[in-house]
Amino acid sequence: DVKVTQSSRYLVKRTGEKVFLECVQDMDHENMFWYRQDPGLGLRLIYFSYDVKMKEKGDIPEGYSVSREKKERFSLILESASTNQTSMYLCASSFSDRALREQYFGPGTRLTVT
Amino acid sequence: DQQVKQNSPSLSVQEGRISILNCDYTNSMFDYFLWYKKYPAEGPTFLISISSIKDKNEDGRFTVFLNKSAKHLSLHIVPSQPGDSAVYFCAASWSGGSNYKLTFGKGTLLTVNP
Repeated sequence: DVKVTQSSRYLVKRTGEKVFLECVQDMDHENMFWYRQDPGLGLRLIYFSYDVKMKEKGDIPEGYSVSREKKERFSLILESASTNQTSMYLCASSFSDRALREQYFGPGTRLTVT
Repeated sequence: DQQVKQNSPSLSVQEGRISILNCDYTNSMFDYFLWYKKYPAEGPTFLISISSIKDKNEDGRFTVFLNKSAKHLSLHIVPSQPGDSAVYFCAASWSGGSNYKLTFGKGTLLTVNP
């Protein structure tokens, strides 16, 4: 079974803090993704990575950065957390295979910024 | 500009009946489509997918239909069970890029009443 784990299920941070969200997958997937999910807005892609040290912006990258130093690990960084970054954050991974595009998701991190 | 649309925010059905969830897309380059199910406080779970070379794919109680000319797909759940109550996301992908990003709809909340 594919396993994608996220470092925290719930997190509460103060405005202005630097926040790290970590994601680890055990399936040797090439691609990793960070999304946020908000009510009425669905899943929106923040950043993705298709290889170690490679990254591309998604649809809403402002206020976020990412790091992928190892194939299995993908980190999302909020440089200076703001209240509008309160959300559910979801990490996912997938193969780079035309016939296997399914992404596998972690359990999510509910981040509250106060 | 929403490329994947789920126009029904919610759907309620009786246990044992058929649930039909709909999804429309605007980008004719999409060639692979997926459905995910999401329970509260959990990550989305992959359900079923379909390639654009097919018009139907079946897996147990779940069947996805694709109408390329109408740019429309639907997920049929027969028979519906209370455990199917969740948010369902439609997603689409195209093979032009090397990493097969998914574009998600905003989701439909399905409630199956006992």
